[in-house]
Amino acid sequence: EPEVTQTPSHQVTQMGQEVILRCVPISNHLYFYWYRQILGQKVEFLVSFYNNEISEKSEIFDDQFSVERPDGSNFTLKIRSTKLEDSAMYFCASSDGLAGRQETQYFGPGTRLLVL
Amino acid sequence: GQNIDQPTEMTATEGAIVQINCTYQTSGFNGLFWYQQHAGEAPTFLSYNVLDGLEEKGRFSSFLSRSKGYSYLLLKELQMKDSASYLCAVKGYSSASKIIFGSGTRLSIRP
Repeated sequence: EPEVTQTPSHQVTQMGQEVILRCVPISNHLYFYWYRQILGQKVEFLVSFYNNEISEKSEIFDDQFSVERPDGSNFTLKIRSTKLEDSAMYFCASSDGLAGRQETQYFGPGTRLLVL
Repeated sequence: GQNIDQPTEMTATEGAIVQINCTYQTSGFNGLFWYQQHAGEAPTFLSYNVLDGLEEKGRFSSFLSRSKGYSYLLLKELQMKDSASYLCAVKGYSSASKIIFGSGTRLSIRP
């Protein structure tokens, strides 16, 4: 069964450093998402991406964040200058965007980011 | 505004049935999801309701009433591996819409 994959599984970085989180969505999916989950809190939406542009973003997704689909398979989230409060689990998700059951978003295993 | 409410914690006995309720108020609605999340892992899709009524899928069933802004997830023949958080989540109008998650219900199964 196809699945979303993410690398790395864990990332430790120093405050102020740039990090890039990578995702490979399910191959025939057209819509891509990033969510984050701070330890003990709810899953929060960051950004959605379709047709090579951002469709929607939350207030969390400020100028420090950017997304890119550099090729036909990868989808990346970049944090330019990490802050302590960016420490969280970051989930990539994808959906095929068709009406009905196929609108389900399937989540990758996540990247646990720790900013020191 | 957008608000999703579900109980914080529930406990049930192995082999029994448990119902996890969810109420929501959102500005757009294009379906309600239930996800299962084990500690430290990703949310795993369980069910999707967009029309009123009951959707059954093995031991799990999900119900939706759009007029009441209400859903429940019913888990039958509980197993110890069902101990997890269950996330109620609502999707907005467009295909690219975000999912808004509730805080989740942490379900503990006792022998």
